[in-house]
Amino acid sequence: AQTVTQSQPEMSVQEAETVTLSCTYDTSESDYYLFWYKQPPSRQMILVIRQEAYKQQNATENRFSVNFQKAAKSFSLKISDSQLGDAAMYFCAYRSADSGAGSYQLTFGKGTKLSVIP
Amino acid sequence: DTAVSQTPKYLVTQMGNDKSIKCEQNLGHDTMYWYKQDSKKFLKIMFSYNNKELIINETVPNRFSPKSPDKAHLNLHINSLELGDSAVYFCASSTLRLAGALLAKNIQYFGAGTRLSVL
Repeated sequence: AQTVTQSQPEMSVQEAETVTLSCTYDTSESDYYLFWYKQPPSRQMILVIRQEAYKQQNATENRFSVNFQKAAKSFSLKISDSQLGDAAMYFCAYRSADSGAGSYQLTFGKGTKLSVIP
Repeated sequence: DTAVSQTPKYLVTQMGNDKSIKCEQNLGHDTMYWYKQDSKKFLKIMFSYNNKELIINETVPNRFSPKSPDKAHLNLHINSLELGDSAVYFCASSTLRLAGALLAKNIQYFGAGTRLSVL
């Protein structure tokens, strides 16, 4: 079974600065997808960014980018120019790319609570 | 328009009662899910349905029964509610097929969550 570990329960960043959230995962599969979801106080789960394991290029979405290290099974999220609205819980998630039941669920890490200091 | 909507947003009830949470998606997805988020914010899959067929049923008490009348709906019925059922329940949907330019396969879209409080 796959596991996802977020080793930082809480992080804080100064507004306009850059912060990196860590995520590692354990899997024996070679093809899979990785995601970062954001959950603000409104409770909504919002997809921030995703990465296909077969792609070597790191995904980027505006101020959000990832550092995907497949061999190290590491998938960190970098937030540049942090804004007050970035304050939220951030969840790293894994999804199998196989055709079995594993492709029908996300396995989440325990989350990192990000605070943005004005 | 809300893509994945679940009702109610808040549900407060007494132990032993039976309650339902409804979920509907208008994305044309073929797969729907229920996740449970506990008090420590940990999210865990409960059920997954593909084309109205149960794919995943994690170790969830049989007091929880999902019902999928069609591909756009996956309701969660809970019998004999217990204190430990208090949590936030999220519905989600996805498709394993390309569904148009605005949607990407393999991404799960979540509802806003239902906070269930059992007293």
